Amino acid sequence: SAVISQKPSRDICQRGTSLTIQCQVDSQVTMMFWYRQQPGQSLTLIATANQGSEATYESGFVIDKFPISRPNLTFSTLTVSNMSPEDSSIYLCSVEAAGYEQYFGPGTRLTVT
Amino acid sequence: DAKTTQPTSMDCAEGRAANLPCNHSTISGNEYVYWYRQIHSQGPQYIIHGLKNNETNEMASLIITEDRKSSTLILPHATLRDTAVYYCIVRAPWGGYNKLIFGAGTRLAVHP
Repeated sequence: SAVISQKPSRDICQRGTSLTIQCQVDSQVTMMFWYRQQPGQSLTLIATANQGSEATYESGFVIDKFPISRPNLTFSTLTVSNMSPEDSSIYLCSVEAAGYEQYFGPGTRLTVT
Repeated sequence: DAKTTQPTSMDCAEGRAANLPCNHSTISGNEYVYWYRQIHSQGPQYIIHGLKNNETNEMASLIITEDRKSSTLILPHATLRDTAVYYCIVRAPWGGYNKLIFGAGTRLAVHP
């Protein structure tokens, strides 16, 4: 298994600003994923981040809005840019372990006012 | 789009077995069935996965039909702490990376 931490755990931000969310894993992993969970909804995959290469975004998500960094095998960041109230969600990172299970962080609860 | 169909909600009495069904009629031969659960305000938790044989671990059992078009997750002795949303997911290989696509899931309520 993998232990994942995220910072911040929650934040309240004003529209038009940006927030960077950090994801730290206790072991080296190749694949990291970022998800969004809007209120009352299921999880939606934003992008896949592989160390040393550009992140790959799902349909409906673009790099200008959700830039991702993956500087090493244990760390990644997701930035939510130029925020609007519609960006209010829980943002979760996850990693894939050797047995193909994915492990999730506790999430970052973002409220945009 | 998610490739699975699950009931929206289910109830189970504490101490009894909880049987959560999932339909995945369009599953491909190399796709696995994964189960995750999400307890309120927490990140999803991996439960179990399988290809075609039945699987069991310390948390649950997974029964996959012979034609692989459906499966059932079994929690043998449900407790109040098993109250959660349970997601059945067919893993979609993509460019060599195995992303998980979540559907709406089944909201399981375990009651005393």
